[in-house]
Amino acid sequence: QQQVKQSPQSLIVQKGGISIINCAYENTAFDYFPWYQQFPGKGPALLIAIRPDVSEKKEGRFTISFNKSAKQFSLHIMDSQPGDSATYFCAASKGFQKLVFGTGTRLLVSP
Amino acid sequence: SAVISQKPSRDICQRGTSLTIQCQVDSQVTMMFWYRQQPGQSLTLIATANQGSEATYESGFVIDKFPISRPNLTFSTLTVSNMSPEDSSIYLCSVGTGRVDYGYTFGSGTRLTVV
Repeated sequence: QQQVKQSPQSLIVQKGGISIINCAYENTAFDYFPWYQQFPGKGPALLIAIRPDVSEKKEGRFTISFNKSAKQFSLHIMDSQPGDSATYFCAASKGFQKLVFGTGTRLLVSP
Repeated sequence: SAVISQKPSRDICQRGTSLTIQCQVDSQVTMMFWYRQQPGQSLTLIATANQGSEATYESGFVIDKFPISRPNLTFSTLTVSNMSPEDSSIYLCSVGTGRVDYGYTFGSGTRLTVV
C-alpha cells in the first residue's frame, strides 16, 4: 500500500518533443505528490509538486496532471531539451511525513 | 529552500570499519531524513532523524548498523558501522521545513565504496 509505481523505466525523446512519465499510487491517504530531477553525481532536486485538490499544475515547460479517482499522476515535459536528460522520480507522502519514491525514469533527449 | 552541505562527498573504506557522514543545513529545519541510493536505483529511506530523541528507523535498518545523531535543528550525522561491500552506495541527507512550497531538499550525497 506504500508503493508508488513509475513508468516507463527509460525514455528517449527527440529534442522539442513531449516527455511523459506516469506514476500510480495505492495509499489514498497520500496528499503530496512531488517530482524530482536527478543528474549524475547530484542529489535529487524538487522540480514541481501538486496537492490532490487540483488536477493540473504547470510551471514553465513542466506540468503535473493528477487523477485522484484513478490514483495516478504524470509529469509532462514540453519542448524537451537535451539539458532535460536526467533521471526523474515521482514521490508521494501523507502530509509532511516521509516520502515514498517511485522507481525512477531515465530520460534521454536526443539532439 | 534550505541549503545542505553533506560531507564527505565520497570515500573508500575498508570492510569492518565505520564512516560518519555529516549533514549541515543553513537554517533550522523540522525534519531530517537519511536515504540510501544504489547506483541507478531509487531512494530508500533509512531513518528519520528526530531532534532530541532517537531516530525512527525503517524496516530493514537498525540503529546498531546505522546510528544517527541530531543534536540540533541544523545538523545530523549518519554512521555506517562495521561496513561490508554490500554497504557500498550513495547516502543522502534530506530536510523538510514543513512548508508545502519548499518541499524536501536533498544534499548532494556521499558515495561510499567498501573494499
